[in-house]
Amino acid sequence: GQQLNQSPQSMFIQEGEDVSMNCTSSSIFNTWLWYKQDPGEGPVLLIALYKAGELTSNGRLTAQFGITRKDSFLNISASIPSDVGIYFCAGQPSNTNAGKSTFGDGTTLTVKP
Amino acid sequence: DTGVSQDPRHKITKRGQNVTFRCDPISEHNRLYWYRQTLGQGPEFLTYFQNEAQLEKSRLLSDRFSAERPKGSFSTLEIQRTEQGDSAMYLCASGTVNTEAFFGQGTRLTVV
Repeated sequence: GQQLNQSPQSMFIQEGEDVSMNCTSSSIFNTWLWYKQDPGEGPVLLIALYKAGELTSNGRLTAQFGITRKDSFLNISASIPSDVGIYFCAGQPSNTNAGKSTFGDGTTLTVKP
Repeated sequence: DTGVSQDPRHKITKRGQNVTFRCDPISEHNRLYWYRQTLGQGPEFLTYFQNEAQLEKSRLLSDRFSAERPKGSFSTLEIQRTEQGDSAMYLCASGTVNTEAFFGQGTRLTVV
């Protein structure tokens, strides 16, 4: 089946630093999504990407849909302590079943004040 | 609060018992999804409904699992004869055909 490889698995950074994480797939996706999950909570959608090459921002977060449609990147600028959590990428192979996604295994972000 | 609501938030059960979880979606959403998430992994798709019709089931959904959405509103997920490997967070999400899904807070199941 489809698999998403997310890296890095974890990151320990200082408050104020920028963060980059990425996700690659063995197959093509037509939608890429980035979620954040806090402990004991469900994932919260941060950014949705629908077109190859698309670059979308949400505050300090910027995500890109890779040109090959097999990868996506998430950048967080000027990190703050509340950025702590697990970031998941997710992909959908078609645009006809929004909501059914294949998830990566997450990048755990720790921000030191 | 008009988000996706799941009940209970936590459930501890003995191996072999049956458990049932409930999900109340956002009211105008006609699609409802169930996912399972184990520690250190991302959510894995289990099944989804459009209104009351169950349109797709993952191979992860063994015969011991059954989901229903009888009136096209709330949904239940039942696990019969629970096993320790069923311990996980069960996440419900709702959306529409044209929108991404919003997740609930999940039900954490521990089978002892």
